[in-house]
Amino acid sequence: DQQVKQNSPSLSVQEGRISILNCDYTNSMFDYFLWYKKYPAEGPTFLISISSIKDKNEDGRFTVFLNKSAKHLSLHIVPSQPGDSAVYFCAAILAQYNFNKFYFGSGTKLNVKP
Amino acid sequence: DGGITQSPKYLFRKEGQNVTLSCEQNLNHDAMYWYRQDPGQGLRLIYYSQIVNDFQKGDIAEGYSVSREKKESFPLTVTSAQKNPTAFYLCASSTRAGAGNTIYFGEGSWLTVV
Repeated sequence: DQQVKQNSPSLSVQEGRISILNCDYTNSMFDYFLWYKKYPAEGPTFLISISSIKDKNEDGRFTVFLNKSAKHLSLHIVPSQPGDSAVYFCAAILAQYNFNKFYFGSGTKLNVKP
Repeated sequence: DGGITQSPKYLFRKEGQNVTLSCEQNLNHDAMYWYRQDPGQGLRLIYYSQIVNDFQKGDIAEGYSVSREKKESFPLTVTSAQKNPTAFYLCASSTRAGAGNTIYFGEGSWLTVV
């Protein structure tokens, strides 16, 4: 049972426009969410995170929004650049006794066209 | 530089052979993980370890084995029992607990069965 879902396997956006990547989750006990960016044949790199007690976190061109009632988070990239073309994974953290467990979505491949 | 080192980057295995993928971290993290990524798919958890001399099966542990004799090292052995081992393997580490911790990934290892 996949607790973190990214329902769009791919997204294509024109350079300079906004990219919106979506993620849904089922477990209301998740207390932290993260976004990772991955280039082919490389490991994912951490991009931005948000605590479950917040609804927005911004870092430069990247903003993550969290809607707890809808169990939905999104990553906005403005403006999009060709170098942003990569696979983006959302992840959620479930705090268990003395251990945090990570759950990953299946990823969305973003293509930013020049 | 702190980080996670995986080796080798590319590995070819003949059918029926066991192979071992190395993972070393100098981030002083207690927890370490192995994920598998197949083309066009997300990250699937193979094994994880919360602390030295302890490890647990993830979602797809069959045909794999691990050891955790040192905090810094978490090697993965792909045995001949793994029916479809060709994939991209990612090692990761994190602190065990704490609000907002992130998981850090190595650069990955490509395993191909020939």
